[in-house]
Amino acid sequence: AQSVTQLDSQVPVFEEAPVELRCNYSSSVSVYLFWYVQYPNQGLQLLLKYLSGSTLVKGINGFEAEFNKSQTSFHLRKPSVHISDTAEYFCAVSDEDTGRRALTFGSGTRLQVQP
Amino acid sequence: DVKVTQSSRYLVKRTGEKVFLECVQDMDHENMFWYRQDPGLGLRLIYFSYDVKMKEKGDIPEGYSVSREKKERFSLILESASTNQTSMYLCAIKGTGEEKLFFGSGTQLSVL
Repeated sequence: AQSVTQLDSQVPVFEEAPVELRCNYSSSVSVYLFWYVQYPNQGLQLLLKYLSGSTLVKGINGFEAEFNKSQTSFHLRKPSVHISDTAEYFCAVSDEDTGRRALTFGSGTRLQVQP
Repeated sequence: DVKVTQSSRYLVKRTGEKVFLECVQDMDHENMFWYRQDPGLGLRLIYFSYDVKMKEKGDIPEGYSVSREKKERFSLILESASTNQTSMYLCAIKGTGEEKLFFGSGTQLSVL
């Protein structure tokens, strides 16, 4: 069975500082990895995804993530955050070897950007 | 734009009531999912469907059932609501061969 661990439930950071949100997964060999974002009182939307190819993936709003197979990680980064990045971020995995069609999500990390 | 519509944004029900949560899509996607979202637990899969009248249990199906009589509509049913089913319920869709999930805006259910 696949699983996703987001070790940090909350990450406070000052505006314009860099941030890293951590995600580790457990699955079989082939995985697809995702980061979704949920802004206050809004639905979830896709931030970025890794399917294959380059391990550094760029997403919307200046975010990027790096797939590290040996460490089974997919950490999300942004070099300089804005107040508007305040949201909850979810890491998710899809295990293609089993053909499971649904995503397994982590418990979420609440990013709080302070002025 | 993709539209995933959940019938109610907020719902308050009493313990023991039968509750129906509806999800309708306008994309003709085969795969539809029901998740519940709880603080500190993230999203957990309840049920999903990959075709009309087809359904599969997710990770936490106990206390729930689903119905998919038409391709565009996927219903989540709480046969006898309990207080531990108070949660945010999210419907999502995905096309075959695609990897991106599209989510509805959610239904916040309170069971008193």
